[in-house]
Amino acid sequence: QVQLVQSGAEVKKPGASVKVSCKTSGYSFIGYYMHWVRQAPGQGLEWMGRINPNSGGTDYAQTFQGRVTMTRDTSISTAYMELSRLRSDDTAVYYCARALLWEQCSGGICHPHSKNYFDPWGQGTLVTVSS
Amino acid sequence: QSALTQPASVSGSPGQSITISCTGTSSDIGGYNYVSWYQQHPDKAPKLMIYDVSNRPSGVSNRFSGSKSGNTASLTISGLQAEDEADYYCSSYTSSSTLVFGGGTKLTVL
Repeated sequence: QVQLVQSGAEVKKPGASVKVSCKTSGYSFIGYYMHWVRQAPGQGLEWMGRINPNSGGTDYAQTFQGRVTMTRDTSISTAYMELSRLRSDDTAVYYCARALLWEQCSGGICHPHSKNYFDPWGQGTLVTVSS
Repeated sequence: QSALTQPASVSGSPGQSITISCTGTSSDIGGYNYVSWYQQHPDKAPKLMIYDVSNRPSGVSNRFSGSKSGNTASLTISGLQAEDEADYYCSSYTSSSTLVFGGGTKLTVL
């Protein structure tokens, strides 16, 4: 079955970086975008960005531009999210979530797009930022 | 991109129906049929319940339904059951090619 298994909880100091992994199995890794969503304690969901595992192309939410980097290793079907210059308000559970990749073709040129819903999600990784 | 607006809480008795609203703008909900809904139980990852406004993934009960009118989307749960008690989040694609979530609604089954 489809599984997204994330790395374990992290504790970081302000100003440091954190890299969260999301190891996938049970499906074609390059056939689906990977999105990252975070949830601060007691708060709602916040979309961070997405990566096309086939091309490595990324799109980031404006809020995280310059601080987030999403990468992937297709050889081990794993996606990564690195957040730098951590602050206390980055304390949150970080989720990876899968979305189907589809292509829009015109004149022989195809452009990849992500479906706009996530299924399934990883189990979440708690990142605590504290001095 | 501002978060979509959801009521903080709704409640209903077993067997009743409830509706959760999700209000955005013409740049997100009103502009696209790309609204999805997620259910989240405490300390669990969100689960997809509705996608593309009104489609149910395989395995999701037909007691869950979605709709949209203008800039407002809605999730309706009929025949409320105790297990439906959870937080519910809406999400929409935006004109900036990003995704935005609602603030979440806590559903209490009385």
